[in-house]
Amino acid sequence: RKEVEQDPGPFNVPEGATVAFNCTYSNSASQSFFWYRQDCRKEPKLLMSVYSSGNEDGRFTAQLNRASQYISLLIRDSKLSDSATYLCVVNDQAGTALIFGKGTTLSVSS
Amino acid sequence: GAGVSQSPRYKVTKRGQDVALRCDPISGHVSLYWYRQALGQGPEFLTYFNYEAQQDKSGLPNDRFSAERPEGSISTLTIQRTEQRDSAMYRCASSTLTSGEYTDTQYFGPGTRLTVL
Repeated sequence: RKEVEQDPGPFNVPEGATVAFNCTYSNSASQSFFWYRQDCRKEPKLLMSVYSSGNEDGRFTAQLNRASQYISLLIRDSKLSDSATYLCVVNDQAGTALIFGKGTTLSVSS
Repeated sequence: GAGVSQSPRYKVTKRGQDVALRCDPISGHVSLYWYRQALGQGPEFLTYFNYEAQQDKSGLPNDRFSAERPEGSISTLTIQRTEQRDSAMYRCASSTLTSGEYTDTQYFGPGTRLTVL
């Protein structure tokens, strides 16, 4: 299976900051894209799906560039509770399995 | 409703022993997936089922690993003759039916932490 690459961080930001995470994927056949969030010692949970037109959910904005095979996540007005690992995820060529990046660690401090 | 459950949550075994890890998916979810997650890594796909049929087992690392889902609900991942390199978090996920090129949201269970001594 092809890879998903992310900057592992950590990103250390103060409360209220805006932070952006980027991810590239190598399988041009991928059709489904997600950001998952994983707290320490917990299971990954879906943060948001990523659509070609870009989409926003409150303070979170996701963008997809299929031509560049690039996905981004923007978090505005960071909260302490945003501290977690953010996993960039695409589906494989068969459309079944999810391929995860290694994750980007975010630490928000007061 | 109840999420994905897995048991045991922790399993410590000696090298060479067989282990069986159980997954109970979200009610009504017909697709079930097994992943393995090493520390500092994202989950890595092992195998998946639609109903009771194993659709893809290409991620199973070798023939010591097998999985079944005989009644299309609970699944068991079995590792025979465990080795120290098998130590990891084993995660199960479920979703509504997956077919075609789009993947529905997968919901993960809490995982089984396997330690092979």
